[in-house]
Amino acid sequence: AQKVTQAQTEISVVEKEDVTLDCVYETRDTTYYLFWYKQPPSGELVFLIRRNSFDEQNEISGRYSWNFQKSTSSFNFTITASQVVDSAVYFCALSEAHNTDKLIFGTGTRLQVFP
Amino acid sequence: DVKVTQSSRYLVKRTGEKVFLECVQDMDHENMFWYRQDPGLGLRLIYFSYDVKMKEKGDIPEGYSVSREKKERFSLILESASTNQTSMYLCASTPRGRLAGGNNEQFFGPGTRLTVL
Repeated sequence: AQKVTQAQTEISVVEKEDVTLDCVYETRDTTYYLFWYKQPPSGELVFLIRRNSFDEQNEISGRYSWNFQKSTSSFNFTITASQVVDSAVYFCALSEAHNTDKLIFGTGTRLQVFP
Repeated sequence: DVKVTQSSRYLVKRTGEKVFLECVQDMDHENMFWYRQDPGLGLRLIYFSYDVKMKEKGDIPEGYSVSREKKERFSLILESASTNQTSMYLCASTPRGRLAGGNNEQFFGPGTRLTVL
């Protein structure tokens, strides 16, 4: 069965620290897609990244980077030099090739960055 | 920019009331979704719709119904609100996956925080 696990419920860091948010997924499909969303205090989920199962290259976007490892079924998200504006709830999600219209979300990780 | 709007940010209703949550998207997306978000449970899918007048149950449809009379509007209905339906409700939309390559992100509205007393 498909599942996304975000074991870290809440993480607190001080500004400028690096922080990694973990995401582990389960699926029987060989083709699937992984996503990260950010939910700031305003409530609206903001799309951050999408990855397909055939592309294991890591991605970097500014202070954000993602490490996709099929061998461990993980898609971890690292924020370098965190800032107070990074404080939010972050969700990892999965969609499968046989039903790409549906997203399966993890339970989210609340990140608090203190000045 | 895709815009998904929800009729209310905050709503307070009484047990037994009929509640309508409205969602409108302006990008001609085929798919629309209703989720509820609860602490420790993440986002859970209530209902979704692939097209006008079409609907499918998600993971937790009990106590809810939906209506999609127009492509841009997807309504969530609580026929008789109960206290356990107090939650944050999020609407989302996306182009249909098979036609758009199968890897669409969903675009979310700002959410409606519903309290049932």
